[in-house]
Amino acid sequence: AAGVIQSPRHLIKEKRETATLKCYPIPRHDTVYWYQQGPGQDPQFLISFYEKMQSDKGSIPDRFSAQQFSDYHSELNMSSLELGDSALYFCASSRDRGQETQYFGPGTRLLVL
Amino acid sequence: AQKVTQAQTEISVVEKEDVTLDCVYETRDTTYYLFWYKQPPSGELVFLIRRNSFDEQNEISGRYSWNFQKSTSSFNFTITASQVVDSAVYFCALRDSWGKLQFGAGTQVVVTP
Repeated sequence: AAGVIQSPRHLIKEKRETATLKCYPIPRHDTVYWYQQGPGQDPQFLISFYEKMQSDKGSIPDRFSAQQFSDYHSELNMSSLELGDSALYFCASSRDRGQETQYFGPGTRLLVL
Repeated sequence: AQKVTQAQTEISVVEKEDVTLDCVYETRDTTYYLFWYKQPPSGELVFLIRRNSFDEQNEISGRYSWNFQKSTSSFNFTITASQVVDSAVYFCALRDSWGKLQFGAGTQVVVTP
């Protein structure tokens, strides 16, 4: 079965640079979620989109922005990167935000030097 | 506010032993959903089981079973006859009405041959 696709899988950036993470949900899934997982921590919710509109917002820094496109893929844009942004970033998708199970992508491992 | 507590930081067992992971949650929602996810050393988050608050029937799926008790707000998870491949971090999660997941801190399971 098709899974959530994330790209790139690994990313190395310098401080103050920008990064764009991409997420392609499972076909027919209309909801996308972004999570950030620091080393040794549990995933923390950043933001979600339902039918291309922002649905909910968590602890996402103002330096980050995201959107969901007409084909339902989503991008997380991160600017002015800081050392503390180094983490594993997960995208998850589901059908109908209120009802269905979220399935996670393999994650993008971001390292900021 | 919702909260998920996994009091066990790490559990070490020898292969073929059973492992039970504890999860206690707090929510004001009358309808809610609980999940268990597995995160192996490779890093991906794998969905294991989901439980709806209105269905307290406990089930067994292969070597996995779960005990959902609404009266004590607990959602415990058991791996029967553990195998080395079960070594991973296991997260209990609670979904809010907007769909986002609130994770517990995770329990590291180490299965040795």
